[in-house]
Amino acid sequence: GQQLNQSPQSMFIQEGEDVSMNCTSSSIFNTWLWYKQEPGEGPVLLIALYKAGELTSNGRLTAQFGITRKDSFLNISASIPSDVGIYFCAGQETSGSRLTFGEGTQLTVNP
Amino acid sequence: EAGVAQSPRYKIIEKRQSVAFWCNPISGHATLYWYQQILGQGPKLLIQFQNNGVVDDSQLPKDRFSAERLKGVDSTLKIQPAKLEDSAVYLCASSLTRDRGYTFGSGTRLTVV
Repeated sequence: GQQLNQSPQSMFIQEGEDVSMNCTSSSIFNTWLWYKQEPGEGPVLLIALYKAGELTSNGRLTAQFGITRKDSFLNISASIPSDVGIYFCAGQETSGSRLTFGEGTQLTVNP
Repeated sequence: EAGVAQSPRYKIIEKRQSVAFWCNPISGHATLYWYQQILGQGPKLLIQFQNNGVVDDSQLPKDRFSAERLKGVDSTLKIQPAKLEDSAVYLCASSLTRDRGYTFGSGTRLTVV
């Protein structure tokens, strides 16, 4: 089946630093999504990407859909303590097909 | 708008017992999903409904898991009998259309002892 490799698995950074994480796939995806999950809650959608090469921002978050359609990255600029959580990438091969999730990046921000 | 509602939030059962989870999606959302999230992993799709029909249940362990979505609204997921490896968070999600991001509920944390 499809596999998403998400890296890094965990990050420990100081408040104010920029963060970058990425996902690579063995399959071509038509949609890439980035979610954030906090303890005891379900994942919350941060950014959705629907076209190869697309670069989309949501406040301090920026994500890109790779040209090969097999990768995506998420950047967080000027991190703050409330950015703490697990960030998941998710890909969808075709419209309406299942979302495949990466294993997550655990982000810790030290004040 | 109200989010995706799930209950119960927590459940502890012994192996070989049965358990059921309930989900109420966002009003008007035709597509409903059940995901299993084992600790330290990303969510994995168990079953996808479009209205009250099953679209994808290829990863549902059908010998012990079942799900239904009567009248195309609420859904229940059942495990019978439960095994230790079923310990996980069971997440329900819904979306307006199948090609847009989902909204997840807070999940039900199941512990099988």
